[in-house]
Amino acid sequence: LAKTTQPISMDSYEGQEVNITCSHNNIATNDYITWYQQFPSQGPRFIIQGYKTKVTNEVASLFIPADRKSSTLSLPRVSLSDTAVYYCLVGDINSGGYQKVTFGIGTKLQVIP
Amino acid sequence: ETGVTQTPRHLVMGMTNKKSLKCEQHLGHNAMYWYKQSAKKPLELMFVYNFKEQTENNSVPSRFSPECPNSSHLFLHLHTLQPEDSALYLCASSQVSSATDTQYFGPGTRLTVL
Repeated sequence: LAKTTQPISMDSYEGQEVNITCSHNNIATNDYITWYQQFPSQGPRFIIQGYKTKVTNEVASLFIPADRKSSTLSLPRVSLSDTAVYYCLVGDINSGGYQKVTFGIGTKLQVIP
Repeated sequence: ETGVTQTPRHLVMGMTNKKSLKCEQHLGHNAMYWYKQSAKKPLELMFVYNFKEQTENNSVPSRFSPECPNSSHLFLHLHTLQPEDSALYLCASSQVSSATDTQYFGPGTRLTVL
């Protein structure tokens, strides 16, 4: 059973705000929500992390409703360089009791000139 | 980002070769990871090490053999690989293996198996 569900792809014009929503209906009480960005042929890079309500940094904002069953990554005024795959992650526990993260398919964002 | 380095960056090998991928982290982290990313597929977690102990083996075939001699170094030994093993192999590290800890990724090794 997938931990997270995201749209497979999105297109946006330069200068627009982009919102990518992730569903995580089975999120556990102690799970945080983390977003990563990956450019082609590179490793993912941390963007933002939150537990509830709203988190903002110099790159993005993360909105988390009270029930925490979803979250929305907001990228303000995207540029061509924001074209990448965006992953939403929540925690998980492996058989040995260690927490791990599982990267899903992610959302491929294509920014159009 | 030079916190996590991987060598070689590109590798071409035959199915009968033996090669090793190397990962080194300079961040003082205690957890290290190997991921595989095939074309147009999601990242696949292969192995996790916490404090040099393997804590995750995600049903990886035995032709992939990890080694973690210390918290700063991680190897992936390869032997008798198949063409479908061609992929980008990514190493990552974090403070500990926790969903809240940021993972820092290396640039990856692009592996081609002929």
